[in-house]
Amino acid sequence: NAGVTQTPKFQVLKTGQSMTLQCAQDMNHEYMSWYRQDPGMGLRLIHYSVGAGITDQGEVPNGYNVSRSTTEDFPLRLLSAAPSQTSVYFCASSWRNYNEQFFGPGTRLTVL
Amino acid sequence: AQTVTQSQPEMSVQEAETVTLSCTYDTSENNYYLFWYKQPPSRQMILVIRQEAYKQQNATENRFSVNFQKAAKSFSLKISDSQLGDTAMYFCAFMKLRGSQGNLIFGKGTKLSVKP
Repeated sequence: NAGVTQTPKFQVLKTGQSMTLQCAQDMNHEYMSWYRQDPGMGLRLIHYSVGAGITDQGEVPNGYNVSRSTTEDFPLRLLSAAPSQTSVYFCASSWRNYNEQFFGPGTRLTVL
Repeated sequence: AQTVTQSQPEMSVQEAETVTLSCTYDTSENNYYLFWYKQPPSRQMILVIRQEAYKQQNATENRFSVNFQKAAKSFSLKISDSQLGDTAMYFCAFMKLRGSQGNLIFGKGTKLSVKP
C-alpha cells in the first residue's frame, strides 16, 4: 500500500495562474479531505468528500474547487492563484467519516 | 462552533524526562473524539493517540498517555521517557460526531524540543 500520495511536493506559481494538486489513496477509503497549514494557524479544512460524487465545503473553501469522480482520487484545483494561498496543503483519507485519518506528505505551494 | 486551544507555543524537555502538553476545547456537543497528532520536521502528520468522549478511561499508547477531563474540556498529552525522536510539532484536534462528516478541528500546535 502506498497510502495517501500527493503530487507535486513543491510548486511555485505566479499570481493568477491555475493548477491542480493531486491526491490519491489506495486503501479504498470513502472519506477524503484537503487541509491547508499556515504558520501559527494549525490545519484548516478546505473541502471534503464522503464518497465518490459527493463533496462539500470546509472552513476555508474560497478560491478552491474539488471533484471526486473515483474513490481513489480527490484533486484540489486553484482557479486563480493568489499570494494568500501560499501554504502547505495536506490531503487526508479515512475508511469512514469518523475513523482515523491518514495524511499525505503535503504539498508546499508558493504564490508570487 | 468548536474551538481548540493549545496555550503553549513552545516547550522543551530533557531526554528521558516527562513532559505534558496542554489542550483545551470548547463545544456544546456530548459525543466527540479527541486526537493528538505529531508533525516531525519531515512534515508528515502522524496520529499519536485518540480518545472517545464517552470513554472515562484515559487512552494510552506506549509512552504516550492523555489526561481527559470532560467536564473541564481539557485533553493533555503526557510523554514519558522523552526521546530525541519525539522532537516535533504536536497538534490537538477535535471531531464532533453529529453532523460534522468526520472533519477535524485543529489547535495551533505546540513545538516540542527534546534536548540530549
